[in-house]
Amino acid sequence: DAGVIQSPRHEVTEMGQEVTLRCKPISGHNSLFWYRQTMMRGLELLIYFNNNVPIDDSGMPEDRFSAKMPNASFSTLKIQPSEPRDSAVYFCASSLDRGEAFFGQGTRLTVV
Amino acid sequence: DQQVKQNSPSLSVQEGRISILNCDYTNSMFDYFLWYKKYPAEGPTFLISISSIKDKNEDGRFTVFLNKSAKHLSLHIVPSQPGDSAVYFCAVRGAGNQFYFGTGTSLTVIP
Repeated sequence: DAGVIQSPRHEVTEMGQEVTLRCKPISGHNSLFWYRQTMMRGLELLIYFNNNVPIDDSGMPEDRFSAKMPNASFSTLKIQPSEPRDSAVYFCASSLDRGEAFFGQGTRLTVV
Repeated sequence: DQQVKQNSPSLSVQEGRISILNCDYTNSMFDYFLWYKKYPAEGPTFLISISSIKDKNEDGRFTVFLNKSAKHLSLHIVPSQPGDSAVYFCAVRGAGNQFYFGTGTSLTVIP
């Protein structure tokens, strides 16, 4: 298996633009997570899906952030409009039932 | 509020010695605890875990200890090797199967 695949690896955008991050979880996994890594808060859970349904989105910082999982093999995290303070590394992870989470390589987002 | 706290941002250890990384959590209902290792420009990778019914789990050079009464978790690496230099994240599994992570501890093993 190729593991969790995220795209793009790097994204540089101007403040106010829409940004879409993409994730393909490991085939057969039924939980998907979006995390944001910052120095201050470490790996911060943004949203968690189970069987494609959002279960806990309490970590989504603002209404500018939204996430979807239209099917078991694809998820997006969208920021609109983006702001410089959104600059961070965003990770997607997936897991099967109550097993450990497997992470993608991350997307480094820079908003200028 | 942080559910998981790693109070040491960094740690330096001589090669061959023991590395001890610490973690505290807030909720006594957590039942599964994990350590992840992260190299630069890569995603975190699972290292070792422990269930709340145990107080120790060992895998080669890595041992995780759980003190439920203190709500404290630690990772011991012995002997430490230069390749162990990475950021280590402590994590707990919530009731809904989500994982909460700490802020990480950057370990440097000096040859």
